[in-house]
Amino acid sequence: DAKTTQPNSMESNEEEPVHLPCNHSTISGTDYIHWYRQLPSQGPEYVIHGLTSNVNNRMASLAIAEDRKSSTLILHRATLRDAAVYYCILSLGSNYQLIWGAGTKLIIKP
Amino acid sequence: DAMVIQNPRYQVTQFGKPVTLSCSQTLNHNVMYWYQQKSSQAPKLLFHYYDKDFNNEADTPDNFQSRRPNTSFCFLDIRSPGLGDAAMYLCATSRDRAGGRYEQFFGPGTRLTVL
Repeated sequence: DAKTTQPNSMESNEEEPVHLPCNHSTISGTDYIHWYRQLPSQGPEYVIHGLTSNVNNRMASLAIAEDRKSSTLILHRATLRDAAVYYCILSLGSNYQLIWGAGTKLIIKP
Repeated sequence: DAMVIQNPRYQVTQFGKPVTLSCSQTLNHNVMYWYQQKSSQAPKLLFHYYDKDFNNEADTPDNFQSRRPNTSFCFLDIRSPGLGDAAMYLCATSRDRAGGRYEQFFGPGTRLTVL
């Protein structure tokens, strides 16, 4: 079964880059890798997604390993507003399902 | 701004008393989802509508039902809430569901308390 594994929590200093890892060794060739984040008492917010190539958008970058069994979400310059739970998710190419990881709680220190 | 709206943000009900949560969207998306999220857990999909086609997850209790009267609105009905149904309920939409490419847009959630 598809599954993602993430660290429970990470700490980073404000204005420094943050690298959030995710393992998804059971990924299939058509599964997309999605990242969402959830601030306290809010709904999840889409961050970025990709299939094989690295992706950049205004919020973050997604680095995908060549074998696709792991990926890293990169926040280039963390701010206090980036403190949230970050979910690494497989969006299955075979159907509509999202396979959610347990999430990494990101703590930003001023 | 186009968005997903959930009402109410907080709902208190009594054990066994039916409750309805509502969701509306201005994104004109085909797919609407309902998730249940308990404390410190990832959201769990209950069911979704692809246009008018209802899709129930295999492990969603019969106590939970949904209605989608039109593209914009979707309702979650809990027929007889138990204490274990206290949770955050999240509505989400996506333009399509096929192939993993489409991101989901979430509402702010409704926190349900069962007394």
